[in-house]
Amino acid sequence: NAGVTQTPKFQVLKTGQSMTLQCAQDMNHEYMSWYRQDPGMGLRLIHYSVGAGITDQGEVPNGYNVSRSTTEDFPLRLLSAAPSQTSVYFCASSYRESAGELFFGEGSRLTVL
Amino acid sequence: GENVEQHPSTLSVQEGDSAVIKCTYSDSASNYFPWYKQELGKRPQLIIDIRSNVGEKKDQRIAVTLNKTAKHFSLHITETQPEDSAVYFCAARPFNNNDMRFGAGTRLTVKP
Repeated sequence: NAGVTQTPKFQVLKTGQSMTLQCAQDMNHEYMSWYRQDPGMGLRLIHYSVGAGITDQGEVPNGYNVSRSTTEDFPLRLLSAAPSQTSVYFCASSYRESAGELFFGEGSRLTVL
Repeated sequence: GENVEQHPSTLSVQEGDSAVIKCTYSDSASNYFPWYKQELGKRPQLIIDIRSNVGEKKDQRIAVTLNKTAKHFSLHITETQPEDSAVYFCAARPFNNNDMRFGAGTRLTVKP
């Protein structure tokens, strides 16, 4: 049981490049989400999904896309990276949307030059 | 949307002392209040949570209190140990949506 797995752990991009952060969970969780963590700002919700085929926007969705084709996977896409997207990204999941505890991945540190 | 404020941003205590971190929230629809601990370079992990139908919850040296009228909740750590040193985040989630909002975090340092 690996829990929540994120890849890559580190990535450097140039402005305008695109990339996908991968997230997979093996706990059969219905709810999955992406957060970004910036110094002094806590964790801010980007997008979330309550099940396969269903996604919705969080607090800071601009510049990011998501999809949920399977229960296990929830990739986060940056279509045209900007320096303001330099951050640490965490994927998190829970059994269902109202279950409570979020299980976080190890994080992905992204730098946009 | 929900707005969560957390104080203090940094807290330094001597080993064995108590530590208290306070959070306020704005949305009266919030009914779930977790606390996460994040050690340096690691992922956040849930340490305790409380729901709006409970005023206080304890788990060994950790306790959380909730005052729904005043819209604030607090984390209490007693008999602090150096391994309690970390960043602590509070959060609040309304019952009618999935947008869990986090506070900005408190960096707790426990000095031996």
